Amino acid sequence: EAGVVQSPRYKIIEKKQPVAFWCNPISGHNTLYWYRQNLGQGPELLIRYENEEAVDDSQLPKDRFSAERLKGVDSTLKIQPAELGDSAVYLCASSLSLAGEETQYFGPGTRLLVL
Amino acid sequence: SQKIEQNSEALNIQEGKTATLTCNYTNYSPAYLQWYRQDPGRGPVFLLLIRENEKEKRKERLKVTFDTTLKQSLFHITASQPADSATYLCALPTSGTYKYIFGTGTRLKVLA
Repeated sequence: EAGVVQSPRYKIIEKKQPVAFWCNPISGHNTLYWYRQNLGQGPELLIRYENEEAVDDSQLPKDRFSAERLKGVDSTLKIQPAELGDSAVYLCASSLSLAGEETQYFGPGTRLLVL
Repeated sequence: SQKIEQNSEALNIQEGKTATLTCNYTNYSPAYLQWYRQDPGRGPVFLLLIRENEKEKRKERLKVTFDTTLKQSLFHITASQPADSATYLCALPTSGTYKYIFGTGTRLKVLA
């Protein structure tokens, strides 16, 4: 079974430029997460989707970040414009919500460097 | 606010010894707790889940304990091997939601 797929794996951009990350979750997983992980830190939730609906986006900086999950499958996270402080690894995870417990399956992440 | 603490200092142990990692949390009572492993350049990989009514959970050489009174989980790797070298993260769901808070992780290095 294929795991969570993310692209690109690496991205280097100049500040004020836009950038987009793509995630394809495990087939059949209804829940999708976007996390940001800074060096030496644990992942921090940006947004969580249940099917097409964003059920928790309280941590998403909405002035510059946007996300969508059309048709409840793959998802895109966009930053426009990027700032130096956005340099981090952006992780996508998916899960199948059963019995109130969620085991999350993570993709390899996209490492973003903003210059 | 809810907080998780893991020892941010790296843990170095000799091959064959038991590694013990600690996860402490404050200001909430999670129904369960998870441990993940993360290798450099990769996403976290789920290892174990332990529920609040379980004192101990085992999987092969891994053992997790959950003390809801102390608000602490211990993660043990017995007969450690160099291949166990990685960062280990604990994660808890915040009360009544599926929003997970992750600890900063503890980097384990097993020396041959």
